[in-house]
Amino acid sequence: DIQLTQSPSFLSASVGDRVTITCRASQGISSYVAWYQQKPGKAPKFLIYAASTLQSGVPSRFSGSGSGTEFTLTISSLQPEDFATYYCQQLNSYPLTFGPGTKVDIK
Amino acid sequence: QVQLQESGPGLVKPSQTLSLTCTVSGGSINNDNYYWSWIRQPAGKGLEWVGRIYTSGSTNYNPSLKSRVTISIDTSKNQFSLKLSSVTAADTAVYFCARTYSRDGMDVWGQGTTVTVSS
Repeated sequence: DIQLTQSPSFLSASVGDRVTITCRASQGISSYVAWYQQKPGKAPKFLIYAASTLQSGVPSRFSGSGSGTEFTLTISSLQPEDFATYYCQQLNSYPLTFGPGTKVDIK
Repeated sequence: QVQLQESGPGLVKPSQTLSLTCTVSGGSINNDNYYWSWIRQPAGKGLEWVGRIYTSGSTNYNPSLKSRVTISIDTSKNQFSLKLSSVTAADTAVYFCARTYSRDGMDVWGQGTTVTVSS
C-alpha cells in the first residue's frame, strides 16, 4: 500500500495568511493526487485533482503542485471559510489511500 | 446536478452484517466515465477508502477489509450498495458514498451516514 504523510498535522493561522500543506508519498505516484477540504459534520469537498488542477468552482486562492512523492496545497490568502481539515489522496494504485489530514485553525 | 444519498440502519449488532445503499439522483449511475466508491471515517479520525465498483460490476476493495466487504451495483435503481460482514466496534464510523472520476478524484459525495456497532 502507498502511505501518505501530511505536514504539519495542525497549523494555526490568521485571516490573510499564506498557508502551505505538504503531502509525501511512500513511493512515486506520478501526479495522481487529489486534495479535499472537510468541515466538521460535513462530507469532504473536492478541491484539486491531478496534483495541480483546480476543480470547477473552487476559489483561485487554492493551488496545488508537485509530482512523484512530494505535493503541496497552498492557500494564498486564508479566508474565514477556509478553516477546516485538509486531506490529500493518492489515486495512482489500489488501495486508494488518504493522508492523515491537516487541521487549519484560527490563530 | 448529481447527488448521492446514503441509507441504511444506524445501529448494527456485533458479528452481524452492515448494509448500506447509495442512491444516485440527477444523473445516471450507468456512466463509463465514473466509478462509485465507499469511504468511512471513525469519529474524530481520518478517511479510509473501503472499495469501489464500476458499472460493469468490477470491484476493488481495501485489503484491510477485503474478506468482509462486498460492493454491488443496481443500474436499474441507480443505486450501489455496501455489505460489511462480521462487524465489530471498530467498524463504527460515518460511511460516505462518492462518485469518482477516473484517477482524478471523488467529485461528488453523499452527506454520510453514521453506523454504530453495538449490542
